[in-house]
Amino acid sequence: DIQMTQSPSSLSASVGDRVIVTCRASQPIHIYLHWYHQKPGKAPKLLIDATSTLQDGVPSTFSASGSGTEFNLTISSLQPDDFATYYCQQSYNTPYTFGQGTKLEIK
Amino acid sequence: QVQLQQWGAGLLRPSETLSLTCAVYGGSFSGYSWSWIRQSPEKGLEWIGEINQSGSTNYNPSLKSRVIISIDPSKNQFSLKLKSVAAADTAVYYCARMAVGSGWSIDSWGQGTLVIVSS
Repeated sequence: DIQMTQSPSSLSASVGDRVIVTCRASQPIHIYLHWYHQKPGKAPKLLIDATSTLQDGVPSTFSASGSGTEFNLTISSLQPDDFATYYCQQSYNTPYTFGQGTKLEIK
Repeated sequence: QVQLQQWGAGLLRPSETLSLTCAVYGGSFSGYSWSWIRQSPEKGLEWIGEINQSGSTNYNPSLKSRVIISIDPSKNQFSLKLKSVAAADTAVYYCARMAVGSGWSIDSWGQGTLVIVSS
């Protein structure tokens, strides 16, 4: 299985801050890396697919990049609605696997 | 806008069979893969398996011996059966749609079903 490792596991930040979440794959996964966020009691929601494609309705403060084994999600200016848990997921090989999550909390 | 609505028993005893069904509203079955994913504090998000419109399946090897995913295109539904459950199978189970056009990202999720396995 391809192991996905996110860092940091948790992050405290303030509204307006810029934050970066990193996801590393245990082997190259081309561009098959996707980002989700999840709020308590809700299903995850797709934010970015195929490494860098923003979904409709996702604010332009979100961006993502990467290739091979290292990928980043950047939020350029945190808004109150952004405080959630973020997950990466690879779809290069089955079984599809997820990172352990990065919990973004308000400082 | 596609919507996934899932249902099934939420409390099971060890050794019983978990059974969940997901109905797809407002979208086509073709061009997508239909997955089951579960989430627990211990294991995080875990992909269980997938099925396509023609009924071809792909399972997580860690669960393959106990899982059956089936599909009924005439009803726009797909289902999960997990045999011989144990406490470690306690989790929130989600049905989900994976889109080939977006590199197999998960672009729609069901609302989730909390399944508790307890004697």
